[in-house]
Amino acid sequence: EVQLVASGGDLVQPGGSLRLSCAASGFTFSAYWMGWVRQAPGKGLEWVANIKQDGGEKNYVDSVKGRFTISRDNAKNSLYMQMDSLRVEDTAVYYCIRHQKGMDVWGQGTTVTVSS
Amino acid sequence: QAGLTQPPSVSKGLRQTATLTCTGNSHNVADQGACWLQHHRGHPPKLLSFLNDSRPSGISERFSASRSGITSSLTITGLQPEDEADYYCSAWDSSLSIWMFGGGTKLTVL
Repeated sequence: EVQLVASGGDLVQPGGSLRLSCAASGFTFSAYWMGWVRQAPGKGLEWVANIKQDGGEKNYVDSVKGRFTISRDNAKNSLYMQMDSLRVEDTAVYYCIRHQKGMDVWGQGTTVTVSS
Repeated sequence: QAGLTQPPSVSKGLRQTATLTCTGNSHNVADQGACWLQHHRGHPPKLLSFLNDSRPSGISERFSASRSGITSSLTITGLQPEDEADYYCSAWDSSLSIWMFGGGTKLTVL
C-alpha cells in the first residue's frame, strides 16, 4: 500500500524551530518529486515546497524562503522540512505529498501551532 | 504570488451536474494544465484528475476534467451527498517555479 506518514508537528513559540518528517512506503521513493502542502485554520490549501528525486533541485513559496529547508534521504525513504524563525501565520496542518502529474498521494497531516 | 481563481461556492441538486472552473494564465493552466482535488475536512485531500486531465485509478467516471486555454474545468455528474466537499485546482507555474492552488470551491449538494 502506498503510504505517507508525517510527524513532528507541535506547539512552538514565535521565532522557534521545528523539523517535520515524512516516512514513505509502498513505492520507489527515489523516483518521485516530493513536497509539502499546508492548510491554515479556516483557509485553503497552500503549496509550501518541493524537492527533486536526487535532492538537486528545490522550490519554495515566497513566504517561507530563507526560513524553511526541504530535504530528503532516499536511503531511509524519508522527506523532511526544517522550519526556522517560525511565525504565527505558519500555524497549519502540514501535508507530505508525492508529485506525479499533480499531487497524487497525500499523508494524513501533522499540525504545527505557532503561538506564545 | 496571485493564485488560480475559483468561484467560492457552487450549489446543485441531487443527481444534477456541477461544473467547477479554475482560471489561471499562460504560465500555469494554459502551459501544463491543472489537477483537481477533493477535500473533506478532517481528511487528506484526494486527487481527482492529473495534469493531463486523466483520472487516477479508483476515481469514479462521474468526475471528469477538461481544459480550454487558461481555464480548467471539473465536471461532476449525478451528484451524490458524498460529493459535498471543497474542491481545489492546482497547477505548476513555469515562470514562478512554484505550484499554485486556487482558493477552493465549496460544493453544496441540495
